[in-house]
Amino acid sequence: GAGVSQSPSNKVTEKGKDVELRCDPISGHTALYWYRQSLGQGLEFLIYFQGNSAPDKSGLPSDRFSAERTGGSVSTLTIQRTQQEDSAVYLCASSLSPKAYEQYFGPGTRLTVT
Amino acid sequence: AQKITQTQPGMFVQEKEAVTLDCTYDTSDPSYGLFWYKQPSSGEMIFLIYQGSYDQQNATEGRYSLNFQKARKSANLVISASQLGDSAMYFCAMREDTGRRALTFGSGTRLQVQP
Repeated sequence: GAGVSQSPSNKVTEKGKDVELRCDPISGHTALYWYRQSLGQGLEFLIYFQGNSAPDKSGLPSDRFSAERTGGSVSTLTIQRTQQEDSAVYLCASSLSPKAYEQYFGPGTRLTVT
Repeated sequence: AQKITQTQPGMFVQEKEAVTLDCTYDTSDPSYGLFWYKQPSSGEMIFLIYQGSYDQQNATEGRYSLNFQKARKSANLVISASQLGDSAMYFCAMREDTGRRALTFGSGTRLQVQP
């Protein structure tokens, strides 16, 4: 079956512009996670969704970052007024349920802020 | 707070030999899971193996095994019979079962398999 998909695969934007990153989880997966990976680093948790609600937003680095999930499926991560330090690969993962241990990752969106 | 430490930024291994990638963790939660992921140069995160904190036996998946030493809080990954395709970044991760559902990752180890 189809895995987790993300779009765009690459995004170059100018400092100060807003960007939207999209994640399509595996069908039927209720839990969805956003992570960020800066160059040469491990993954950093951003936000977790269970269905359409986000019980854990503790990883969002600033109020410029927001995310939503609609219909218990697609999620959008929005970064407003982008800064150069926002440059990273943004990875989305989904799992069948919050208790399911395996998270399936998408290919990521590489964001470059110039 | 949960924490994962990978002290080997890079490792080399000869093809067909075994290699151990180190991982230590810290948590106050008695119930947790430990994971290893592989990230090739293409960037995707590939799940390799999982160990639950109450599992009595070390997890194994094909050529991968997890050497779980609970008292020492270590969860080392052992790759047997290394192949050239094993060259990648390897990340150890943990999730506390009663807390945050997201994974906490270590900084990774870059493994290079030499012919």
